Formats: sequence, C-alpha cells, structure tokens
Amino acid sequence: DGGITQSPKYLFRKEGQNVTLSCEQNLNHDAMYWYRQDPGQGLRLIYYSQIVNDFQKGDIAEGYSVSREKKESFPLTVTSAQKNPTAFYLCASSTDPFPGSQETQYFGPGTRLLVL
Amino acid sequence: RKEVEQDPGPFNVPEGATVAFNCTYSNSASQSFFWYRQDCRKEPKLLMSVYSSGNEDGRFTAQLNRASQYISLLIRDSKLSDSATYLCVVNRGGQNFNKFYFGSGTKLNVKP
Repeated sequence: DGGITQSPKYLFRKEGQNVTLSCEQNLNHDAMYWYRQDPGQGLRLIYYSQIVNDFQKGDIAEGYSVSREKKESFPLTVTSAQKNPTAFYLCASSTDPFPGSQETQYFGPGTRLLVL
Repeated sequence: RKEVEQDPGPFNVPEGATVAFNCTYSNSASQSFFWYRQDCRKEPKLLMSVYSSGNEDGRFTAQLNRASQYISLLIRDSKLSDSATYLCVVNRGGQNFNKFYFGSGTKLNVKP
C-alpha cells in the first residue's frame, strides 16, 4: 500500500537532547513538508522540500533541522535549541509543489513529542 | 491577522441535522481551497477540494466566495461518525512554491 509513515508514534526528549523524527513516503511525491500542531491551533510549517537535496525554512524553523538525501525520506531533527518542543509533528507530501496546481497534501500519522 | 480563520466551535448537533461551517481567508491571491477532517489525535485527511462553482460529495457541499473571501462546508443528515474537527486549508501559491495555510479547525459533535 502506498502512503506516508512516521516513526516513532511517541517520542520523549530530555533537556538538552537532540531527537530525530522519521518520515518516509512511497508515493513518489516530489514535495515533502513538516508541520507542528499545538492544541487548539492550526498547523504551522517548519520546513519544506520541493526536490531531493533541497529544502527551505518554513514559518517556525528555529530549533529544527532537516535533510533530503532521498526522495522517499525527509527526517526532522528537533535540536536542544528548540525550547518548547512538546507538540504533534506531522509530515506531509504532495506531487506538485508549484503554484496553480490543485494538488493537495497527504499526511503521515504523526509523532507526539514530549519533554521529560 | 491570521491567514485563515475559523470558528473553533464546538458545534453540538443531533443526528440528522444540517450544519454549516464558514472559514475566511485574508489573502486575495489564494489559489486553491480544501476542507480536511481531523479525528482526535490523528492526522488530517482530505475531505474535499473547493471549486469556484461549488461542489458536492454525497452529504457534503462546499462553496467558495472569492469576493468575500470565505469558504463554507455544509453537512446534511449528520451522522455520529461525522464528529471530528474540520480544517479549512488555503493554498496561497507563492512565487515558486505551493504554501498551504491551515485554520485552527471547527469541532463538530454529533449526538444521538
């Protein structure tokens, strides 16, 4: 079955620790995105990638880093610089990252990050 | 001002009722529009795209008013399984990238 997978489902971070969230898709989508969702709020864009080996900062990139070495994979690292990392993290992908398309996004099941 | 604004609700309705949600967007250059459904502690899932002429999918009808910059979703004959949070999503379409803006969602509770 085609889809987007994220792991782990729950992740606990200690103070000062970097953690990495996995996102894999087998939909052959070019564009991938990372969002953060806090209770009662909409999704906020952290990073996005239109193509392999390229990525751009979103609206709240501080304290996060990403890589896009393979089309299928777009891991997100939450660094110790992110002071309020507790949230629901969602990875998404879409076929056409360019303006004017009606293409929408498909989401993975998400990772809940909690700080110990 | 937020890019996309929605009434958070909750909307509490009995089974079989008709319920409507509205959503407003701030950027007149927005190009495409969607409604997503998000169940508790799950990822958002596409419910339907919204087209300028309005569109229907079974019990769901979506409409777009570009002049007033709002989008609506109408649900007829509500089912218990419709209980969820409904997210309004707008694609502004930047210079070289599709950027999606999400409302914070409207919560619907359908009761027996």
